[in-house]
Amino acid sequence: GESVGLHLPTLSVQEGDNSIINCAYSNSASDYFIWYKQESGKGPQFIIDIRSNMDKRQGQRVTVLLNKTVKHLSLQIAATQPGDSAVYFCAETGDDKIIFGKGTRLHILP
Amino acid sequence: DGGITQSPKYLFRKEGQNVTLSCEQNLNHDAMYWYRQDPGQGLRLIYYSQIVNDFQKGDIAEGYSVSREKKESFPLTVTSAQKNPTAFYLCASSFSGTGRYTFGSGTRLTVV
Repeated sequence: GESVGLHLPTLSVQEGDNSIINCAYSNSASDYFIWYKQESGKGPQFIIDIRSNMDKRQGQRVTVLLNKTVKHLSLQIAATQPGDSAVYFCAETGDDKIIFGKGTRLHILP
Repeated sequence: DGGITQSPKYLFRKEGQNVTLSCEQNLNHDAMYWYRQDPGQGLRLIYYSQIVNDFQKGDIAEGYSVSREKKESFPLTVTSAQKNPTAFYLCASSFSGTGRYTFGSGTRLTVV
């Protein structure tokens, strides 16, 4: 997952713009990747997932891209809205063990 | 509605006390998990269970205990041996062998 210290990296995006949140995963053997969204004071919620035999998957307003060559995962949110303000975690799994990244905080500018 | 319920939402513990956090799911999930989340940090695995009457330690099990007597329930006890228990505790469940978890809404534990 992302390598961060005590403070979460923050991405500030203007409302209506597209957001791109990045994640560097750690295990070459991981074959399933998930993005979660965690709003303040709540548990994480599933957003979208992708298997390693794909390089792109689209949902409603969200797209996940997977680059296995450089072990990189990204989450794209189209037309960012105030309700998208949250911490976003990537997760990887491949051998019954799931590894969560430390998260990126998405801040929406009015 | 199927889901996973954690209670209480807020919990205060005095020094030296044991407290138990509840986690119940009606999703028919086999596996259940407990994570700890500290401010600005990711999720750290405390304990997990893939089947009734069986559970395994995660990365930070010291000072915690669990039981899995029923498929639906996976309570976590924070014992007095846990020296820094103040944190946000998250319970999750999934079908075994999948990485797609359903999380509860969390319990915020504070030592007073």
